[in-house]
Amino acid sequence: IAGITQAPTSQILAAGRRMTLRCTQDMRHNAMYWYRQDLGLGLRLIHYSNTAGTTGKGEVPDGYSVSRANTDDFPLTLASAVPSQTSVYFCASSSGGDYNEQFFGPGTRLTVL
Amino acid sequence: QKEVEQNSGPLSVPEGAIASLNCTYSDRVSQSFFWYRQYSGKSPELIMSIYSNGDKEDGRFTAQLNKASQYVSLLIRDSQPSDSATYLCAVNSGTNAGKSTFGDGTTLTVKP
Repeated sequence: IAGITQAPTSQILAAGRRMTLRCTQDMRHNAMYWYRQDLGLGLRLIHYSNTAGTTGKGEVPDGYSVSRANTDDFPLTLASAVPSQTSVYFCASSSGGDYNEQFFGPGTRLTVL
Repeated sequence: QKEVEQNSGPLSVPEGAIASLNCTYSDRVSQSFFWYRQYSGKSPELIMSIYSNGDKEDGRFTAQLNKASQYVSLLIRDSQPSDSATYLCAVNSGTNAGKSTFGDGTTLTVKP
């Protein structure tokens, strides 16, 4: 593994189904983030974690949950997917703190029908 | 007012010209500023970071920061077709250390 990996690359999901997007980093970064990016828009923060064992809500957290059991992994769960959650999801990590230069995974394209 | 605003674009420049991308932010206590480049269908990639007032140069890229005016810009000299991408401005507020707020991006096209 080099950097950040995300799985799956893409997914088509029926509304109401539960889905977990996976994110793993091997840079030993303290902080990790989940963003969604909709067409023509910038990145909107869903949830973040400043260090293992802690999480926080971002700008658009409703309908999503996260956990941070260890440094490397930061899964994002959609408990009951809705069509408005159709988006591209990016996971990112940083060493944290004031400088916060973020490194992004390749993204997951999710379509909820 | 959005926390981070960028030129809506799209911006088109001829090859070899200077491309100027602008960003304003609303939180006066913001400490760190970043420019990310995002090619179509790809993930954002950090290209510049700046923390102090003034200019910071890295190759053909220059970031400029003016905290009094709450303004950060990115200049790309000798623009190349490979610079065609969407550029995202991100601001890390001192009150929310560890979280960045992103602008909606400016799409740049460099025409050969």
